[in-house]
Amino acid sequence: DTEVTQTPKHLVMGMTNKKSLKCEQHMGHRAMYWYKQKAKKPPELMFVYSYEKLSINESVPSRFSPECPNSSLLNLHLHALQPEDSALYLCASSPEGEKLFFGSGTQLSVL
Amino acid sequence: QKEVEQNSGPLSVPEGAIASLNCTYSDRGSQSFFWYRQYSGKSPELIMSIYSNGDKEDGRFTAQLNKASQYVSLLIRDSQPSDSATYLCAVIDTGNQFYFGTGTSLTVIP
Repeated sequence: DTEVTQTPKHLVMGMTNKKSLKCEQHMGHRAMYWYKQKAKKPPELMFVYSYEKLSINESVPSRFSPECPNSSLLNLHLHALQPEDSALYLCASSPEGEKLFFGSGTQLSVL
Repeated sequence: QKEVEQNSGPLSVPEGAIASLNCTYSDRGSQSFFWYRQYSGKSPELIMSIYSNGDKEDGRFTAQLNKASQYVSLLIRDSQPSDSATYLCAVIDTGNQFYFGTGTSLTVIP
């Protein structure tokens, strides 16, 4: 299995909602990432988990809460988002210090 | 200075021509370099990895790396309209951190 699977593919939520994005990989990669990407911009790193521990948090607002339940799963919990948080959210995994494998992304719209 | 820099374009080439995309990086000790292709609304797709100085060819794609000059390039031969996308250069630096460039938008005109 060489895929990173993200769900859902599309999500529309109100500013008072709570939702979660999910990411799964079975390649044995020990590093997993969340990126945010706005249109016509490069992916912007949010969080990195290494061996199931949060190793990088790029000063992301607390309304985004990552979770790594085990080495194959990565979640991003969303609460009280703002319209400017609308973006493509990308999960990726990698062998340590190697290229990233991306999931198909979740297109998020906050109303 | 940004870690990885690319010309943002847009770059337009006629179908069948060679498209040349360039990237420079700041960390001289970087060892791993990648080119990703991204279609609008889709996730980045790895198309080339290069680790040693020189050229690496894969089909119509050639990656070139010059560590002394700290640049890496991507050549696309016989460009096709389906190559129209944004191309992201990425580098892993000596701190094991992964950095993307700002991307170059390529349009291949039929």
